[in-house]
Amino acid sequence: DGGITQSPKYLFRKEGQNVTLSCEQNLNHDAMYWYRQDPGQGLRLIYYSQIVNDFQKGDIAEGYSVSREKKESFPLTVTSAQKNPTAFYLCASNFGYEQFFGPGTRLTVL
Amino acid sequence: SQQGEEDPQALSIQEGENATMNCSYKTSINNLQWYRQNSGRGLVHLILIRSNEREKHSGRLRVTLDTSKKSSSLLITASRAADTASYFCASGGQNTGFQKLVFGTGTRLLVSP
Repeated sequence: DGGITQSPKYLFRKEGQNVTLSCEQNLNHDAMYWYRQDPGQGLRLIYYSQIVNDFQKGDIAEGYSVSREKKESFPLTVTSAQKNPTAFYLCASNFGYEQFFGPGTRLTVL
Repeated sequence: SQQGEEDPQALSIQEGENATMNCSYKTSINNLQWYRQNSGRGLVHLILIRSNEREKHSGRLRVTLDTSKKSSSLLITASRAADTASYFCASGGQNTGFQKLVFGTGTRLLVSP
């Protein structure tokens, strides 16, 4: 099956810890994106990557970091500098105009 | 914030009725897309309308676009309980395969049997 996978589905973090969210795609898409969704809200762009070894900050990049060492993978690290990390995180990719989304990771800070 | 806005925030209808949701965006666009999200899931693309189009149909979906008012609407006809979900508009400014989308705040649709 072609698509985007995210892991884990649920993640719990203690304050002060860094955590890494996984995003993998086998769609052969160049562009990949990370979004954050808060309850009852739309999606806000954290980081995006148009090609391997290149990425740019989105609208809310503070407290997050990414890497793009392989075309298939775009992991997101939520650092301790992110003051309010509890949210639903969505990864997406696209080649044409349409974006394809993974199932999401729900991160909760304890 | 550059986020678009949608109204209503929530809509509750009976099966068989039509559902209309509206979206406003803030900057000039190349295309406007609509996505659906079931609770706790990722988004699924529904339909795209380009800035030079005024109306587009896909099955039970009808989308309109008014670039002079920076607004779009999504009509779902003959709704079904399975249409229950949140619906988001997303505006795209690029005419390329790379799409940096700006999402609206979403409309939660509840369709009762």
